[in-house]
Amino acid sequence: DTAVSQTPKYLVTQMGNDKSIKCEQNLGHDTMYWYKQDSKKFLKIMFSYNNKELIINETVPNRFSPKSPDKAHLNLHINSLELGDSAVYFCASSQGERGLAFFGQGTRLTVV
Amino acid sequence: SQQGEEDPQALSIQEGENATMNCSYKTSINNLQWYRQNSGRGLVHLILIRSNEREKHSGRLRVTLDTSKKSSSLLITASRAADTASYFCATASNSGNTPLVFGKGTRLSVIA
Repeated sequence: DTAVSQTPKYLVTQMGNDKSIKCEQNLGHDTMYWYKQDSKKFLKIMFSYNNKELIINETVPNRFSPKSPDKAHLNLHINSLELGDSAVYFCASSQGERGLAFFGQGTRLTVV
Repeated sequence: SQQGEEDPQALSIQEGENATMNCSYKTSINNLQWYRQNSGRGLVHLILIRSNEREKHSGRLRVTLDTSKKSSSLLITASRAADTASYFCATASNSGNTPLVFGKGTRLSVIA
């Protein structure tokens, strides 16, 4: 059973579109994250959710919005996609903010 | 930011040799974690070392932590071609509401 699963794995879309990436974890963790990995492989934290409350919101454009329907899910919605949004987005979860993080397989987003 | 910085950025060795990667960080930490990322995949956690620990082993991996120098090292002994991947350190803060912060990674190539 996959611990952290995110869908889709690949997403190709046009500029200006709105898209969502889904993430689910079955580990019972209380904290979930979204990271963006750019072409240089740098991992940047975007959002962190603890018990369904946003606790960190780094300086990401407000076109990006995390949505957590319950403790096991943290979806990422992106409005008005831009070319610079092209990257690999990773969902992760951990027990508390200091615990080992379990990552999904990533979603490669390409905006054309 | 207490972002970790790995050194070197890239490392190429022969199979059977040892590989050493270093990580430096800026502020006080609760623990430091090492992760591995195979090409096109998500990150997988390798080992966590707490701030009160100095050394930890797991199989062919040895991690050291020097909090006075704010640095850590990951040693992979008797490397194999399958160890080829990117390796990241991540720091967990003592402060609340602070997610894991990742460094830029070391790209390890093990040549058979």
